[in-house]
Amino acid sequence: GQQVMQIPQYQHVQEGEDFTTYCNSSTTLSNIQWYKQRPGGHPVFLIQLVKSGEVKKQKRLTFQFGEAKKNSSLHITATQTTDVGTYFCAGGKGNTGKLIFGQGTTLQVKP
Amino acid sequence: EAGVTQFPSHSVIEKGQTVTLRCDPISGHDNLYWYRRVMGKEIKFLLHFVKESKQDESGMPNNRFLAERTGGTYSTLKVQPAELEDSGVYFCASSQESIVEKLFFGSGTQLSVL
Repeated sequence: GQQVMQIPQYQHVQEGEDFTTYCNSSTTLSNIQWYKQRPGGHPVFLIQLVKSGEVKKQKRLTFQFGEAKKNSSLHITATQTTDVGTYFCAGGKGNTGKLIFGQGTTLQVKP
Repeated sequence: EAGVTQFPSHSVIEKGQTVTLRCDPISGHDNLYWYRRVMGKEIKFLLHFVKESKQDESGMPNNRFLAERTGGTYSTLKVQPAELEDSGVYFCASSQESIVEKLFFGSGTQLSVL
């Protein structure tokens, strides 16, 4: 079946260090979304990428969608303690909210 | 504006019992989704309602799961009879009509089947 693999599963960084999580789909996606789930919370939408090779930035966060629309990455520059949580990528195959989620990357930031 | 609300937040039941989860989407959101996260694994799609109609229920594990959305407002997800492997966090999400740009998730129901 369709799968989205996300690595790493866990990442511990020192505050101020950079962080990257990667997603790879077994099939071509129509779009990819990123969500953040704080400890004890629920997934909160961060961004959606639709175009091949698209790059979007939100302050210290940079999101990329691969040329083949099968992979994506989220890069955080100079992490802060507020960045702690689990980051999920989720691939879409059409224009609905039926998404294929990656396993998530849990980020811990040491002050 | 109220977000997506789910009830209960936690439920502990014994194997063989019945549990009903409820989701109230954001007012005006025609699209309602159920997702499940089992044991720290990926969040998996269960089904999708557009108003009161089931648009896609391809993710429902088996016929022990029954979802309804009478009147196109709130939705319920019933598990009967519950099995151990049904334990996990059940998330509801909603979105406005037309092209989906993002899902608004509820806080989830943590279901533990003992």
